[in-house]
Amino acid sequence: EPEVTQTPSHQVTQMGQEVILRCVPISNHLYFYWYRQILGQKVEFLVSFYNNEISEKSEIFDDQFSVERPDGSNFTLKIRSTKLEDSAMYFCASRAGPSPSYGYTFGSGTRLTVV
Amino acid sequence: AQKVTQAQTEISVVEKEDVTLDCVYETRDTTYYLFWYKQPPSGELVFLIRRNSFDEQNEISGRYSWNFQKSTSSFNFTITASQVVDSAVYFCALSEANYGQNFVFGPGTRLSVLP
Repeated sequence: EPEVTQTPSHQVTQMGQEVILRCVPISNHLYFYWYRQILGQKVEFLVSFYNNEISEKSEIFDDQFSVERPDGSNFTLKIRSTKLEDSAMYFCASRAGPSPSYGYTFGSGTRLTVV
Repeated sequence: AQKVTQAQTEISVVEKEDVTLDCVYETRDTTYYLFWYKQPPSGELVFLIRRNSFDEQNEISGRYSWNFQKSTSSFNFTITASQVVDSAVYFCALSEANYGQNFVFGPGTRLSVLP
C-alpha cells in the first residue's frame, strides 16, 4: 500500500536554528498538508498546499514557517528560527483529490525536539 | 465553525471489557466526513474509519464498531472484548467538504486496557 514517508523520524535542534522537515507524499496525490501535535495534546492543522501554493493556513503558521515542493516529489516544512515551543510531532499528509472522500494518508511523523 | 469534542480524557478498562469512546462534533457544512484514528505509543496515526454525512449506517469491523447519529451530532466508537494492544490514544476528526478541507481533530481519549 502506498505510504507517505517522512524524514527524519526524530530531529534535535538548538533554539534559533533553522530546521527542514521532509515528506514524500504518495506519487499521484495533489493535496498536501502539515499538522502539528505538541506532546500530550491534539493534532492541529498548520497548512495545506495545492498547485504549488498555500491554499489554507492556520494562525499557528506564522512567518517563521514556510512550505515548499522543490522537486515534484518532496514536500518540505521549514522552521526558520526554532523556539522551544516548536517541539512537537509534525505530521505530513497527502490526498488524491479535493474532497475528503478521497481520504487522507498520514506519514508516521517527525518528532522535533528544540533544546 | 467546526469543532470536535471528546469528553473522555482517559479511560481504563480490564481486558475483555467493552468500551465506548464518545465523539461529538459541530459543523456548518451539510457535507462532511468523520474519522477515527488510533495513535499507539510509537506515535503514528493509524486510520480506522471514514464516514460521510450522508451515510448513517452503523459499521462493524471485527471488534470495532461505530455509531453515527446525525440527530445528536455524535460518532461513537465501541471496542468489543478489548485487548491490551488496544491501548492507545484515539482521535475523532472532522473534515468539511465546502469550508476548507483540513481536519479538525478532537483532543483525544487515552484508552488503557489492563491485563
